[in-house]
Amino acid sequence: EAEVAQSPRYKITEKSQAVAFWCDPISGHATLYWYRQILGQGPELLVQFQDESVVDDSQLPKDRFSAERLKGVDSTLKIQPAELGDSAMYLCATRASGYGYTFGSGTRLTVV
Amino acid sequence: DQQVKQNSPSLSVQEGRISILNCDYTNSMFDYFLWYKKYPAEGPTFLISISSIKDKNEDGRFTVFLNKSAKHLSLHIVPSQPGDSAVYFCAASLSGSARQLTFGSGTQLTVLP
Repeated sequence: EAEVAQSPRYKITEKSQAVAFWCDPISGHATLYWYRQILGQGPELLVQFQDESVVDDSQLPKDRFSAERLKGVDSTLKIQPAELGDSAMYLCATRASGYGYTFGSGTRLTVV
Repeated sequence: DQQVKQNSPSLSVQEGRISILNCDYTNSMFDYFLWYKKYPAEGPTFLISISSIKDKNEDGRFTVFLNKSAKHLSLHIVPSQPGDSAVYFCAASLSGSARQLTFGSGTQLTVLP
């Protein structure tokens, strides 16, 4: 079964440092989402791509977060500088058509 | 403003009995609803969904019921098994190409052997 690959699985970083997460979507899935899930809460959308274009980044804290999807395939989410409140699981999901999301296993970020 | 709410953070059920997880929403424009299951340190996995034109969808041990007038949906698991222990998220989507999901805060289901 096709999977969404995310790396790293776990990341510990000191506050004010830069951190980056990577997502490799299922081949052919044009739509890619980054979600953030804080413990005890549901996932919240950060950014949505359609191919290489940003469709919605209204919830992305642009002063410190950036996302790109060069060539419309894999995607990178970056935080610089990281803050304590950024500790969460960062989830990548892709969709071919319809409502079928496939999530990756996520990156658990701990900022110390 | 939380548009999708799961008011029970946790639920414990005996193995073999029925588990009922509830979800309420406020946006009447949502037209598709999904349930996801999540184990610790893993991403959510799709469980079952329902379109707003239906009031019930069944898949094996899992049934989702939708009451549009009450803006309420529920997930029934019968019979519950210890492997069902996980966090269950309700999600809702608006029609259109974006298909963004709005999630509830989740319910931790524990099935006791």
